[in-house]
Amino acid sequence: EVQLVESGGGVVRPGGSLRLSCAASGFTFDDYGMSWVRQAPGKGLEWVSGINWNGGSTGYADSVKGRFTISRDNAKNSLYLQMNSLRAEDTALYHCARLATYDSSGYYLSWGQGTLVTVSS
Amino acid sequence: DIQMTQSPSSLSASVGDRVTITCRASQSISSYLNWYQQKPGKAPKLLIYAASSLQSGVPSRFSGSGSGTDFTLTISSLQPEDFATYYCQQSYSTPPHFGPGTKVDIK
Repeated sequence: EVQLVESGGGVVRPGGSLRLSCAASGFTFDDYGMSWVRQAPGKGLEWVSGINWNGGSTGYADSVKGRFTISRDNAKNSLYLQMNSLRAEDTALYHCARLATYDSSGYYLSWGQGTLVTVSS
Repeated sequence: DIQMTQSPSSLSASVGDRVTITCRASQSISSYLNWYQQKPGKAPKLLIYAASSLQSGVPSRFSGSGSGTDFTLTISSLQPEDFATYYCQQSYSTPPHFGPGTKVDIK
């Protein structure tokens, strides 16, 4: 069974940092690209970032470019999102999602339940 | 960026109804259009990829059609478990934007 389990969310002050993690199991992790997709409370889905199978290709939404960094450790079957200079508008549930191919973009076969990030003073 | 719109934003329907949701892209995306279902408090679930391909395990009452800029998701006979929010997503180019969602609730 495919499982994606996010962790690392919490409450942080504006300007602060957090590192999200996603532990993957049930599939060959390094065969697939991965993404982070967020959902603000009561709102729709927003793509944040994507990474290809070996970390050699990444992409970011304009709203997070220069502040967030996506990475992966295939030996640990884990995906990460380093979030710096956090803003109130980054408050959301952050989902880890498995792409359908090895690429850094595409459609999402599997999703985690998400980890909640709240940016507030 | 390619922007996605959906209509309607919400609809009320009864069990057994035929339901159609429309998604429009701001420029041609060929058939790079996907549909997801999300229930409250749950992660999204892939229903349709490449505009019309049914994801494994998804009931055949769900179907997708369209190409270019205009796409539809159809539920042929609405079931109680289908009350949810539906999102389209383009995978033609980065950023792979989602539509704003269509909430389907009970009439």
